[in-house]
Amino acid sequence: DAGITQSPRHKVTETGTPVTLRCHQTENHRYMYWYRQDPGHGLRLIHYSYGVKDTDKGEVSDGYSVSRSKTEDFLLTLESATSSQTSVYFCAISEPRQRPNYGYTFGSGTRLTVV
Amino acid sequence: DAKTTQPPSMDCAEGRAANLPCNHSTISGNEYVYWYRQIHSQGPQYIIHGLKNNETNEMASLIITEDRKSSTLILPHATLRDTAVYYCIDKNTGNQFYFGTGTSLTVIP
Repeated sequence: DAGITQSPRHKVTETGTPVTLRCHQTENHRYMYWYRQDPGHGLRLIHYSYGVKDTDKGEVSDGYSVSRSKTEDFLLTLESATSSQTSVYFCAISEPRQRPNYGYTFGSGTRLTVV
Repeated sequence: DAKTTQPPSMDCAEGRAANLPCNHSTISGNEYVYWYRQIHSQGPQYIIHGLKNNETNEMASLIITEDRKSSTLILPHATLRDTAVYYCIDKNTGNQFYFGTGTSLTVIP
């Protein structure tokens, strides 16, 4: 997707290990989001950021932390990965002041498997 | 939790119009209705959005009822590539979108 990159695209990790996923944007959008997607649950918001060093929790934030030290980067960290965190993770960006406002732009996703 | 309600699945014949309904009974006066779709395991893709008036772009048309409690996304001539999950969203406060499980549209040859 134009202007937003997620890395890595795929990762397999062991239970108990820390994992960091990266979202990078070149659009200078103020808001950034991390979602996870699991069968039967659709997309669920984990954390979001509304500016550098400004973050807040979403509906499924337990076990996750985030950081945003620069406008362009939003990191999602699993401090100690568990099998229940096996999922596809999507990053999204938005800029409410943009007119017209097309809402969110999503990245291509990171498929994480915790074994 | 998602504030919108959509049927879990629908079928549509190729070349026919696909009409995907959405109920957003708790929508407030200044909240837009957005539609996205997700093909396979790709990231969701913006389709269209609207506030009160009907909208049309190159991808689809959006019909919003006068009371704004429901809307319909119309794909005028569905193709096999339109097979996807379609999400209807009304923007929550704080610029957060809550996605439900959407409608899985299957276009049949």
